[in-house]
Amino acid sequence: QKEVEQNSGPLSVPEGAIASLNCTYSDRGSQSFFWYRQYSGKSPELIMFIYSNGDKEDGRFTAQLNKASQYVSLLIRDSQPSDSATYLCAVTYPVEYGNKLVFGAGTILRVKS
Amino acid sequence: SQTIHQWPATLVQPVGSPLSLECTVEGTSNPNLYWYRQAAGRGLQLLFYSVGIGQISSEVPQNLSASRPQDRQFILSSKKLLLSDSGFYLCAWTMGGAGETQYFGPGTRLLVL
Repeated sequence: QKEVEQNSGPLSVPEGAIASLNCTYSDRGSQSFFWYRQYSGKSPELIMFIYSNGDKEDGRFTAQLNKASQYVSLLIRDSQPSDSATYLCAVTYPVEYGNKLVFGAGTILRVKS
Repeated sequence: SQTIHQWPATLVQPVGSPLSLECTVEGTSNPNLYWYRQAAGRGLQLLFYSVGIGQISSEVPQNLSASRPQDRQFILSSKKLLLSDSGFYLCAWTMGGAGETQYFGPGTRLLVL
């Protein structure tokens, strides 16, 4: 069974600090990795995706992927109170599986001003 | 640009009543479509996905069903709701074929009493 694990948190960081969110996955066949942000009562919104080992930066966000360790992380630099939300890690599988995403349960992030 | 709509936004239904939730996508053709449920404080559970008109794959045995009568329309139904059907129902889409990134609709919050 394909599983995605995240620490549920809450992760509390002061404003301006770096928040580090982690995710592990069980299936080495996983090909693509996504981070979504979900505010309370709202639907998930895509932050970024990563396909290749290494780092991918987009503004204050950096996704890191290590396929050998089956580990993906999201760094948020200069954290702001508006970053307080639940962050969902998701892993997708090949086309023959209908491009399904398997989601982790999410990590709650709280940024204190 | 593509947009995804869901309605209704909120719904309160008695146990044993029927259910029909609708999802439509604009600005794309032949999308893959997905129904998820998110119970309070929980992760996303994939219920159904569809790669084309009339093609439905079920992920979890339950009293729900899905249909895709048109290319960009996806409907979630039930003949008799259970208390455990309460939750946040999310529709998502990806581009067909190799498209992987899923984009979510605004969701329907269902409360079964």
